[in-house]
Amino acid sequence: AQSVTQLGSHVSVSEGALVLLRCNYSSSVPPYLFWYVQYPNQGLQLLLKYTSAATLVKGINGFEAEFKKSETSFHLTKPSAHMSDAAEYFCAVRGGGSNYKLTFGKGTLLTVNP
Amino acid sequence: EAQVTQNPRYLITVTGKKLTVTCSQNMNHEYMSWYRQDPGLGLRQIYYSMNVEVTDKGDVPEGYKVSRKEKRNFPLILESPSPNQTSLYFCASSSLETNYEQYFGPGTRLTVT
Repeated sequence: AQSVTQLGSHVSVSEGALVLLRCNYSSSVPPYLFWYVQYPNQGLQLLLKYTSAATLVKGINGFEAEFKKSETSFHLTKPSAHMSDAAEYFCAVRGGGSNYKLTFGKGTLLTVNP
Repeated sequence: EAQVTQNPRYLITVTGKKLTVTCSQNMNHEYMSWYRQDPGLGLRQIYYSMNVEVTDKGDVPEGYKVSRKEKRNFPLILESPSPNQTSLYFCASSSLETNYEQYFGPGTRLTVT
């Protein structure tokens, strides 16, 4: 079985500050990991993905995430927050091999204060 | 343009009135899936399909049906909707070639009164 835990349902940062959104996963097989972003009243957009290549993954809009197997983590970071980053962020895990199911965390709402 | 489309985008209906939400993708993906999104619960998988005529239950399949008669279409059927099925629904598709990265439709907001 696989699962995702996102620590903090709501994170608030100031514009220009570091963004850190935490994600821990559980998977019985080597995982594929994803971060999606959902802007208000919109669908889901892929930010970045880890598929067993480089452990530091760069995505769109200046976001990146580092896969740490020993910590079973895949935290999302951005050095400097913009007002436009305000959205809900979802971490997801897919088991490798023939397990195609995508399991999502409950989401973290990011607020950016001026 | 590669995309996943859903119809309708918004639907208000009454308890017990059968409805279908359509989902179509133009990327020749073999894998398709339905999710529902509820506040504080994230996205939960309802049903998925590995290919034509191959479907299986996800985490919350009760009250839903699906079919996969063509590769591009994966409709979600609510035979007798109830208020607890009020939610935001997303269809997604993916393939082996993309390491099963899921491409999402725009969502269907369903309200059952």
